[in-house]
Amino acid sequence: RKEVEQDPGPFNVPEGATVAFNCTYSNSASQSFFWYRQDCRKEPKLLMSVYSSGNEDGRFTAQLNRASQYISLLIRDSKLSDSATYLCVVTPSNDYKLSFGAGTTVTVRA
Amino acid sequence: NAGVTQTPKFQVLKTGQSMTLQCAQDMNHNSMYWYRQDPGMGLRLIYYSASEGTTDKGEVPNGYNVSRLNKREFSLRLESAAPSQTSVYFCASSDAPKKGAFFGQGTRLTVV
Repeated sequence: RKEVEQDPGPFNVPEGATVAFNCTYSNSASQSFFWYRQDCRKEPKLLMSVYSSGNEDGRFTAQLNRASQYISLLIRDSKLSDSATYLCVVTPSNDYKLSFGAGTTVTVRA
Repeated sequence: NAGVTQTPKFQVLKTGQSMTLQCAQDMNHNSMYWYRQDPGMGLRLIYYSASEGTTDKGEVPNGYNVSRLNKREFSLRLESAAPSQTSVYFCASSDAPKKGAFFGQGTRLTVV
């Protein structure tokens, strides 16, 4: 079983729509969780950390469900510029390795 | 604000040739990483260095070696390149695992 699994999508949504997707992780001892954004042929960029209580950054909301071992990302009022691949990243406890999911592709259409 | 700088950005090698990918960060981060990214497979960890003076294998270390030259620099060496090593290579650095990591712009390597 992969350490981090994501629905590859693609999620095709119109501008202004809300889109949400999840990521599951296999190591129950995982401590740190992140969402990264990667544009085509570019490096991944940190979008937001995911905290136990959930957190929001503008139109983006991230949630963590430790019991079911998944994290989620919700994008409200989608913009064309939100089109990208979103990578889920998990770090095990006391470990410096960051494990990446294969990514979820989101395409926002006009 | 350079962040993480990788060189070269593009490289074509012949099978059996060797080369070193260079990475430097100016954020005074302790940890550095080398990943490769292949279509449909996401980023896979090759090697990492939790702190200056230490290196550890990741998920796919075979065919690679690394050197943590100092706190700023972490190089990746291919001793005898193979077509299976055709990939995009990313270097990253991190202050601490809970803070996430920051990536260089990548090196697109083709082995023919």
